[in-house]
Amino acid sequence: KNEVEQSPQNLTAQEGEFITINCSYSVGISALHWLQQHPGGGIVSLFMLSSGKKKHGRLIATINIQEKHSSLHITASHPRDSAVYICAVGSNYKLTFGKGTLLTVNP
Amino acid sequence: ETGVTQTPRHLVMGMTNKKSLKCEQHLGHNAMYWYKQSAKKPLELMFVYNFKEQTENNSVPSRFSPECPNSSHLFLHLHTLQPEDSALYLCASSQEWQMNTEAFFGQGTRLTVV
Repeated sequence: KNEVEQSPQNLTAQEGEFITINCSYSVGISALHWLQQHPGGGIVSLFMLSSGKKKHGRLIATINIQEKHSSLHITASHPRDSAVYICAVGSNYKLTFGKGTLLTVNP
Repeated sequence: ETGVTQTPRHLVMGMTNKKSLKCEQHLGHNAMYWYKQSAKKPLELMFVYNFKEQTENNSVPSRFSPECPNSSHLFLHLHTLQPEDSALYLCASSQEWQMNTEAFFGQGTRLTVV
């Protein structure tokens, strides 16, 4: 069982919809990262957080340390948001990754 | 553009070939990483270099040989690979070797072993 579980694995939405991707982990962490991977492979760091909530444009990330759970929200989704979203947790000087959530936003 | 550049972007090699992947960053970061991403699997950490010193080898077979000549450059030398080594190889860097600093990833090298 992976130490980092993401849900859903696949998500299809219509443009404009509110999106939520969840991440649960089983280890103690120093920080949690949300990453975006577009077709072709490159990965971009969206958020790094260890408590509370962060917002960047239409993206919001929250974390509940006690419940070992984080969510990534996308408001007013757009086709250009289509990508794989990866949750990764940092502990013991290494990152452990989830398998990713494939998001497809249709126009 | 994340500031981390990987070359080549695509590589096809035979099992008897020797090739090298290159990663370069001019972000002033002290830690650099190699990750492997196989189909339908999470990213796997392969190697970590901190201030040019290898600090982690995540049980990687010896047919993968990393080299870090300076803090800005990282290589992954490949020899006698197997078809199951076909994957996306990603390089990343961060300011410090701690998981509470942001990591910057390259575009990856798509490797196919035939």
